[in-house]
Amino acid sequence: GENVEQHPSTLSVQEGDSAVIKCTYSDSASNYFPWYKQELGKRPQLIIDIRSNVGEKKDQRIAVTLNKTAKHFSLHITETQPEDSAVYFCAARGFSGGYNKLIFGAGTRLAVHP
Amino acid sequence: NAGVTQTPKFRVLKTGQSMTLLCAQDMNHEYMYWYRQDPGMGLRLIHYSVGEGTTAKGEVPDGYNVSRLKKQNFLLGLESAAPSQTSVYFCASSYPTSGRSGANVLTFGAGSRLTVL
Repeated sequence: GENVEQHPSTLSVQEGDSAVIKCTYSDSASNYFPWYKQELGKRPQLIIDIRSNVGEKKDQRIAVTLNKTAKHFSLHITETQPEDSAVYFCAARGFSGGYNKLIFGAGTRLAVHP
Repeated sequence: NAGVTQTPKFRVLKTGQSMTLLCAQDMNHEYMYWYRQDPGMGLRLIHYSVGEGTTAKGEVPDGYNVSRLKKQNFLLGLESAAPSQTSVYFCASSYPTSGRSGANVLTFGAGSRLTVL
């Protein structure tokens, strides 16, 4: 089945700096890669996603890049702000068992210091 | 429109007791999922359902059972709770995708914190 690895597990940056989180996946058939943000004590929420026919996608200060050949994708946050502090999860869509489902990475705890 | 609602929000069990977590969604989603969240391990898929009356195993199904008798409800059962099942459980739902294309946009519930002593 699909396996998703995420690095780093924790990331600390100064406000205004950039943050990059990287993920690798194992199933070459995976074709959809979302990123979820989970603030402390809250539920995960989708912040951006990318499909395998696109190499990069941007939404204001966040962007995601995908390298299908290397089977890795990354989340980039520019001009970080304290409200960006949260746990971020990457995910990849796996197809084992005949049904598509999301498999998540272990998460990255991002701390943005004023 | 409540989205995805989980009950109960908190529960403490003794080893060997049984319980059921209820997930209800009012968005007419076909797909529903149960994940568990443990520190350093992210969100791991327990079981999921692609429609009323269907269920399938995820990454960590052992010790859990599920049922999807109604489209809007997805129940997660623990027949004999163990301390290793202490976790935060999240239910999620989504629309089906067109074959293998499209987006699985998950809407999560608020979570249920289960402690097994």
